[in-house]
Amino acid sequence: DAGVIQSPRHEVTEMGQEVTLRCKPISGHNSLFWYRQTMMRGLELLIYFNNNVPIDDSGMPEDRFSAKMPNASFSTLKIQPSEPRDSAVYFCASSFGTGVEAFFGQGTRLTVV
Amino acid sequence: GIQVEQSPPDLILQEGANSTLRCNFSDSVNNLQWFHQNPWGQLINLFYIPSGTKQNGRLSATTVATERYSLLYISSSQTTDSGVYFCAVTTGGFKTIFGAGTRLFVKA
Repeated sequence: DAGVIQSPRHEVTEMGQEVTLRCKPISGHNSLFWYRQTMMRGLELLIYFNNNVPIDDSGMPEDRFSAKMPNASFSTLKIQPSEPRDSAVYFCASSFGTGVEAFFGQGTRLTVV
Repeated sequence: GIQVEQSPPDLILQEGANSTLRCNFSDSVNNLQWFHQNPWGQLINLFYIPSGTKQNGRLSATTVATERYSLLYISSSQTTDSGVYFCAVTTGGFKTIFGAGTRLFVKA
């Protein structure tokens, strides 16, 4: 398996624009997580899906952030409108079940100018 | 919520030296993982270790769940070991909390 695949690897956008980050989990995994990493706050869990259903989105910073998982092999994280403080590295991770070993994608480095 | 504390925050080693990284957590956990984030930002799984001891080459880890800590041992360190080491614990079935990390630099 190729592991968790995220795209794009880098994204630079202007403030106010919509940004969509994409994730393909490891085949067979039924749990998917979106994380954000910043210098100030470290790694934070934004949202968690189990069997394509959002279970907990309490980590989503505000309504400008939304996430979907239309099927078992694809998820998106959207920011609309984007702001400079959204600049961070966004990671997607997947696992088979919950409370078990999770595997991370290579991340998307987002810069909002 | 649960607190995850890692120590030391920073560590500089001479190549060939050994080191121990520590992770303390404030409540019972379902599982614990150690990750290495390399200088390119990639998070690499080192150990999935809710309890007990595991070894993988020069690295080993021990988790004592009843005393709420885990240790990561690096022996004969190499420059490629540089990066940030994270401890991550999972509670309540899925909520995963990361520690702040230990930043390691190994000098040649």
